[in-house]
Amino acid sequence: AQSVTQPDIHITVSEGASLELRCNYSYGATPYLFWYVQSPGQGLQLLLKYFSGDTLVQGIKGFEAEFKRSQSSFNLRKPSVHWSDAAEYFCAVGANNDMRFGAGTRLTVKP
Amino acid sequence: GAVVSQHPSRVICKSGTSVKIECRSLDFQATTMFWYRQFPKQSLMLMATSNEGSKATYEQGVEKDKFLINHASLTLSTLTVTSAHPEDSSFYICSAQQGLNYEQYFGPGTRLTVT
Repeated sequence: AQSVTQPDIHITVSEGASLELRCNYSYGATPYLFWYVQSPGQGLQLLLKYFSGDTLVQGIKGFEAEFKRSQSSFNLRKPSVHWSDAAEYFCAVGANNDMRFGAGTRLTVKP
Repeated sequence: GAVVSQHPSRVICKSGTSVKIECRSLDFQATTMFWYRQFPKQSLMLMATSNEGSKATYEQGVEKDKFLINHASLTLSTLTVTSAHPEDSSFYICSAQQGLNYEQYFGPGTRLTVT
């Protein structure tokens, strides 16, 4: 069965610093991979997705993610974090009309 | 494009009553809709998958008689929480999928509080 692991429950970074959120997945074939962001009390907003092709994917709000098949990873990165990026981030794996979410990483941004 | 709405956004009900939550795809036809539940500070848990005109497929451990799902049209799915109890209080999120596109479009969620 497919599964998603986000090893970091909570990350704190200073505003302007770089960010990397980790995501590892388990699936027999190449799945579809997603990163979503959720602000408190809100629904999910898609940041980016990977279906095939270029393994470095650009998303909204300056985020990017890199698919590494050998490491079964799809880490999310941003070169310079803004205070408004503070939120919960979910990595998700989709395949066969099914989507599974990681436990989420809560990002706190220090001024 | 690809907007999904949910109604209501918040609802408070008394224990023992039933509550209906609507999920609509506003600008596309959703062949498949999904219902998720999210507890505070936790991830989304898939409850069920519904295809238009068919019975919903429930995840293991989800009571189908308690969480009634109807997907009557290509733009509307409803989740009815029957005989609600305080432990049903949660954030319920729906999503919709268009055809074979694996991407799901999420609604803004419904906060249910059972008193």
